[in-house]
Amino acid sequence: DTAVSQTPKYLVTQMGNDKSIKCEQNLGHDTMYWYKQDSKKFLKIMFSYNNKELIINETVPNRFSPKSPDKAHLNLHINSLELGDSAVYFCASRRGVHTEAFFGQGTRLTVV
Amino acid sequence: AQKVTQAQTEISVVEKEDVTLDCVYETRDTTYYLFWYKQPPSGELVFLIRRNSFDEQNEISGRYSWNFQKSTSSFNFTITASQVVDSAVYFCALSVEAGNNRKLIWGLGTSLAVNP
Repeated sequence: DTAVSQTPKYLVTQMGNDKSIKCEQNLGHDTMYWYKQDSKKFLKIMFSYNNKELIINETVPNRFSPKSPDKAHLNLHINSLELGDSAVYFCASRRGVHTEAFFGQGTRLTVV
Repeated sequence: AQKVTQAQTEISVVEKEDVTLDCVYETRDTTYYLFWYKQPPSGELVFLIRRNSFDEQNEISGRYSWNFQKSTSSFNFTITASQVVDSAVYFCALSVEAGNNRKLIWGLGTSLAVNP
């Protein structure tokens, strides 16, 4: 019954590889996000989708490409992984623009 | 500028002490929302409270209380009689306009260690 679930929880991969992280929410929310949390715990928004439409696209390398097949899913694909991409990536969803966000458990990505 | 400042990077207390985590924000929006989240060592982000800019009533939930003061642009969080399980990183966040949407602006977090 997890509200926001993302897979995998851990991802270890080599530089240059391409990887994807999947996110699904069963809350019926219209808006979904991807955040990156670095080693100092700083949370930075990457993307926001509202009803499958890209709303917010912060300054993120174009190696990162979000895809939303429907409003319950927001996946993150990363090409040509670099060491600096190592971080915890959180998916989140919100019902409306004034409400709280619910977060997935995070995906710890380690690029070696 | 739209930002959230959590000046306390790390706080260490002994169990049963009261502790206040500070949050100061800046925004040009007249309507905005403030949030607190907890991130325990297990890593998940847990929602604690939401407050809108028109509601300055303080809130109490068990050992947790929040003091919202628009005059000082602050939304401080107090834990009374702290417990070891309160050890976590606590984030304050501000919901601001972003085009036709809103986004959350996050503070850098305050790491709270409650020692037995």
